Amino acid sequence: EVQLVESGGDSVQPGRSLRLSCAGSGFSFDDYAMHWVRQVPGKGLEWVSSITWNGLNIGYADSVKGRFTISRDNAKNSLFLQMNSLRTEDTALYYCIKDRLPTVPNAFDIWGQGTMVTVSS
Amino acid sequence: QSALTQPASVSGSPGQSITISCTGTSNDVGNFKLVSWYQHHPDKAPKLMIYEDSQRPSGVSNRFSGSKSANTASLTISGLQAEDEAHYYCCSYAGGLTLIFGGGTKLTVL
Repeated sequence: EVQLVESGGDSVQPGRSLRLSCAGSGFSFDDYAMHWVRQVPGKGLEWVSSITWNGLNIGYADSVKGRFTISRDNAKNSLFLQMNSLRTEDTALYYCIKDRLPTVPNAFDIWGQGTMVTVSS
Repeated sequence: QSALTQPASVSGSPGQSITISCTGTSNDVGNFKLVSWYQHHPDKAPKLMIYEDSQRPSGVSNRFSGSKSANTASLTISGLQAEDEAHYYCCSYAGGLTLIFGGGTKLTVL
């Protein structure tokens, strides 16, 4: 079974850091681009960041650029999101997602269940 | 990176057809054949329904179809069923390894 399991979500104060992890199983992890998408409770979906299969090409939403860093470890079938200088507006459910293809983002075909990040003083 | 424009809500009766629009610009929706659509039921992970503007993944009902004209993509659901009631989101590639979602549309089956 193709599966993505996120972890690392927590409740933190503004300005602090958090690292999200995502473990993939049931597919060849290094054959696909991967993504993070978030959803503020009660609001819509927001794309956060993408990384190609080999980690050489990366994209970020303007809202997180310079604060968040996406990375992957294909040997460990894992995706990461390092989140620094967290703001209250970063509070959301963060989804780890597998793409259909390895390079240019095509479509989000497998989603994890999400990990909740709460930023509050 | 402004969100793609979707109607906030649409509704239809069982058996009817509805269409949800998704309007972007010539820099995103109109520039790539990379619009996808997602169905999102509460407390579940979103599900891919359409990719590459009009392609349907295996296992998705053929009642769901996608199309595009210029800067506007559309999702049509025919033969509405109660289980189709959900939020629907469009998403487009916008170049430079960036993507953009629509604001989402709540579908109510009357």
